[in-house]
Amino acid sequence: GQQLNQSPQSMFIQEGEDVSMNCTSSSIFNTWLWYKQDPGEGPVLLIALYKAGELTSNGRLTAQFGITRKDSFLNISASIPSDVGIYFCAGPPSLYGNKLVFGAGTILRVKS
Amino acid sequence: DTGVSQDPRHKITKRGQNVTFRCDPISEHNRLYWYRQTLGQGPEFLTYFQNEAQLEKSRLLSDRFSAERPKGSFSTLEIQRTEQGDSAMYLCASSLTQGSTEAFFGQGTRLTVV
Repeated sequence: GQQLNQSPQSMFIQEGEDVSMNCTSSSIFNTWLWYKQDPGEGPVLLIALYKAGELTSNGRLTAQFGITRKDSFLNISASIPSDVGIYFCAGPPSLYGNKLVFGAGTILRVKS
Repeated sequence: DTGVSQDPRHKITKRGQNVTFRCDPISEHNRLYWYRQTLGQGPEFLTYFQNEAQLEKSRLLSDRFSAERPKGSFSTLEIQRTEQGDSAMYLCASSLTQGSTEAFFGQGTRLTVV
């Protein structure tokens, strides 16, 4: 089945630093979604991307839909302790997809 | 709170017992999904409903699993004869009609089979 590969698997950064992570697929996606999950909670939708090349921001978060439609990037500027968590990329594996496939996540730890 | 609601949040059961989880979606969303998440992995799709119709089931959904959405509102997921391998977080999500892939998740039900 389709897989989404997230990189890096985990990050340990200083508070105030900018963070970048990415998600790649072997096939084209028409939508990219980025979620954040805190321990013991469900994923929370951060950003949705619908068009190749699209750049969308949500506060300190910025995500981009890759031109090839096979990748997406998430950047967090000026990280703070509450940014700690697991970040997942997700997308529907077909044009008329009704379900999402998820990457394995990028674990973010922030050193205050 | 108008988000997706799941009950219970935690369930510990003995192997072989049956368990049932409930999900209440966002009220105007007619699509409802069930996902399963194990440690270190992203959520994996189990099944989804469009109103009361169950339109797709994953091969992960063995015959011990059954999901219902009888009136197109809340949904239940039942696992019969639980096994230790069923231990996971069970997540429910909902979304608007076709054309929107933005799914909103509940807080999940953590199942532990001992």
